[in-house]
Amino acid sequence: AQSVTQLDSQVPVFEEAPVELRCNYSSSVSVYLFWYVQYPNQGLQLLLKYLSGSTLVESINGFEAEFNKSQTSFHLRKPSVHISDTAEYFCAVSPSPAAGNKLTFGGGTRVLVKP
Amino acid sequence: DTGVSQDPRHKITKRGQNVTFRCDPISEHNRLYWYRQTLGQGPEFLTYFQNEAQLEKSRLLSDRFSAERPKGSFSTLEIQRTEQGDSAMYLCASSPLNSGNTIYFGEGSWLTVV
Repeated sequence: AQSVTQLDSQVPVFEEAPVELRCNYSSSVSVYLFWYVQYPNQGLQLLLKYLSGSTLVESINGFEAEFNKSQTSFHLRKPSVHISDTAEYFCAVSPSPAAGNKLTFGGGTRVLVKP
Repeated sequence: DTGVSQDPRHKITKRGQNVTFRCDPISEHNRLYWYRQTLGQGPEFLTYFQNEAQLEKSRLLSDRFSAERPKGSFSTLEIQRTEQGDSAMYLCASSPLNSGNTIYFGEGSWLTVV
């Protein structure tokens, strides 16, 4: 079984400041790691994912996350946030494809970007 | 728009009534998933289909819940004898078989049981 812990439920941050959202997971098997973003009253959109290879993954809108196997972490960072980054962010893990891509999500971190 | 489509987007129902949600996945996606998300929580897996076969059901899916995907395309999620605790957003997602574990979510169906 897998579990995901997002240590911060809310993160207020000023525009153009950096932000880090923490995610730790536990699993007895190899996992794939994801960050999803949910804007108000919308479904989830994939932000980025780690499947294999380089432990640093980037999204097209400036977010990056680093997989740290020894610390079982997959923290999400952005060096300079915009007002439009206000949303809820979910970290998720999935076991091997044979398990049907089932995702286990963390509780979410709500990011509020202030002008 | 060729994304995952869910209907209705919002449903208010009285306790004890039955409700049904429909999900149309992305065309040619073999796998279809249902998740439930309550306020302030992350989504929780309910069940998934590969084509028309329901391959896994969560223990969260009580006997009052039933999901179908009769022709391997759209799916329905029915909740019988709704309870206030069923109030949540029901998310549908789909993926092709070889997607690198990426699944694509719809915008969800909000259920409020009064």
